[in-house]
Amino acid sequence: EVQLVQSGAEVKKPGESLRISCKGSGYNFTSYWISWVRQMPGRGLEWMGRFDPSDSYTNYSPSFQGHVTISADKSISTAYLQWSSLKASDTAMYYCARDVFGELSLDFWGQGTLVTVSS
Amino acid sequence: SYELTQPPSVSVSPGQTASITCSGDELGDKYACWYQQKPGQSPVLVIYQDDKRPSGIPERFSGSNSGNTATLTISGTQAMDEADYYCQAWDSRSYVFGTGTKVTVL
Repeated sequence: EVQLVQSGAEVKKPGESLRISCKGSGYNFTSYWISWVRQMPGRGLEWMGRFDPSDSYTNYSPSFQGHVTISADKSISTAYLQWSSLKASDTAMYYCARDVFGELSLDFWGQGTLVTVSS
Repeated sequence: SYELTQPPSVSVSPGQTASITCSGDELGDKYACWYQQKPGQSPVLVIYQDDKRPSGIPERFSGSNSGNTATLTISGTQAMDEADYYCQAWDSRSYVFGTGTKVTVL
């Protein structure tokens, strides 16, 4: 069974750094990309970027380029999304999803990680 | 940047057909897919490559894509289909999501 299990909810202050994780299981982790998607409270889905665990190639949405870093450790089948300096506007639910590039769709999703940034 | 526009809401009676549109420039030349998201849950892929259903998705969900419009059709809508639906396409090295449609089953 394919599963993506994300790390737990986080409460941070503006200016702090953060890394959240997404552990894949039930499939060959290096055979699929991982995408990250943001959903702000009461809002729609926004694609942030994707990572190819086989060669570490990363592709960011222009809206998020320079604001976040996507990476992965293929030895433990885990992808990461990190911020160096959080803002209140980063408050959102963040989802990782398995990215089937050949089909241009996201076929399995993690349960989401809620990030709250507040002073 | 590329944009996908959906109606904010669609209402349907149980057992009837719901159609949700997704409009974008020359969308028919790209692959469209659709996600269902129920309150408090993660999105679920219901249609990919315009008209294909992933394993486990009921046959009442179907899709089409031509010209500037992709359409998700739910035939024989059930109460459990009440959710937000998002279309998605790939353009200029980015995934783009539609604005989302809330489907209400009255």
